[in-house]
Amino acid sequence: NAGVMQNPRHLVRRRGQEARLRCSPMKGHSHVYWYRQLPEEGLKFMVYLQKENIIDESGMPKERFSAEFPKEGPSILRIQQVVRGDSAAYFCASSPQPGASGELFFGEGSRLTVL
Amino acid sequence: GESVGLHLPTLSVQEGDNSIINCAYSNSASDYFIWYKQESGKGPQFIIDIRSNMDKRQGQRVTVLLNKTVKHLSLQIAATQPGDSAVYFCAEGKNFGNEKLTFGTGTRLTIIP
Repeated sequence: NAGVMQNPRHLVRRRGQEARLRCSPMKGHSHVYWYRQLPEEGLKFMVYLQKENIIDESGMPKERFSAEFPKEGPSILRIQQVVRGDSAAYFCASSPQPGASGELFFGEGSRLTVL
Repeated sequence: GESVGLHLPTLSVQEGDNSIINCAYSNSASDYFIWYKQESGKGPQFIIDIRSNMDKRQGQRVTVLLNKTVKHLSLQIAATQPGDSAVYFCAEGKNFGNEKLTFGTGTRLTIIP
């Protein structure tokens, strides 16, 4: 049973370019979460999605960041016009039915470096 | 404001000894708390959780203690092994069904052979 799959694992972008990070949840999981981690810090919640719905985006920056989880295909975290401060590890997590437990299953992360 | 913080950023423990990692939280409305382990270059891995109506929970070699009076959480790891070396995060959640977790900064545990 494959875990949460994220790609790319490493991404380098120049300032002003776009970054697209993909996440496929565990089989049978319909809830996806994106978290951001700066070096030597804890993870910060960004957004919670179900298929075709954004449930909670209270942690998303107001500009340049967007997320989607289409009916078919992986969840996408998109960062437009990247700046150096966007350099971080972006983790996706999934969970099964809501209310089952507090456990999230995390992927290995996508490490974005902005030059 | 809400915050989950850790007392010590680093901890070194002799292999075979027990370790205790501490965490302070400020939001008394949290429904549950979770400990995660993160190895270098990897994603966080669930260790154990505890609901706010409990004060102790045990797993395999791990015990989590919750003291709501002083808003303190601890993770005890028994008979530590080299594979326990990692960064440990505590996290709090408010609602089952929306796993919007607030993570602490983390404690780096190093097991000395």
